[in-house]
Amino acid sequence: GDSVTQMEGPVTLSEEAFLTINCTYTATGYPSLFWYVQYPGEGLQLLLKATKADDKGSNKGFEATYRKETTSFHLEKGSVQVSDSAVYFCALSAYGQNFVFGPGTRLSVLP
Amino acid sequence: GAGVSQSPSNKVTEKGKDVELRCDPISGHTALYWYRQSLGQGLEFLIYFQGNSAPDKSGLPSDRFSAERTGGSVSTLTIQRTQQEDSAVYLCASSYRTGPQETQYFGPGTRLLVL
Repeated sequence: GDSVTQMEGPVTLSEEAFLTINCTYTATGYPSLFWYVQYPGEGLQLLLKATKADDKGSNKGFEATYRKETTSFHLEKGSVQVSDSAVYFCALSAYGQNFVFGPGTRLSVLP
Repeated sequence: GAGVSQSPSNKVTEKGKDVELRCDPISGHTALYWYRQSLGQGLEFLIYFQGNSAPDKSGLPSDRFSAERTGGSVSTLTIQRTQQEDSAVYLCASSYRTGPQETQYFGPGTRLLVL
């Protein structure tokens, strides 16, 4: 079945550091790919998405590019802030199938 | 309209009691999902509704868990004879199911504690 693998962390960075959270997937067909973020004490929020190969999703300084050849959707940000501290979930949705979420990566950004 | 809402936001119950968790999806969203998130864990899929029917109940952990949806809108997740291992945050999400364009929108969750 479909699956999502991501680095589980925790990831601890200093403010203004560069962030990469790796995500790879296994799916039949051509899924849509998502990053969701969960801030402390809150529900999941959609951060960005990409629906086809080579698409780049971006939001709030975060970016991820849908790489079909490497089945990856790595999340990046050039300069993280303390307010980015959260748990980040990579997910996929294939047509006619349910969402599949990765285990989540906890990010802590220190001032 | 407004986002997905869930009630109650917190629920403390005693082992063996039944609980009902409610989800109000975004108006017009035909698909509704229930997930469970245990402390420090990822998302565990429970059940999915398309309209009022549940084509996928594969994630329900036991026959103590059941869910229904009426009028293609509100859904209730019921846990009978609760156990301590049922303690978790129960998340509801809804979407307007358009295949590859589908995006799920999550509610704030219900935090359940079984003593």
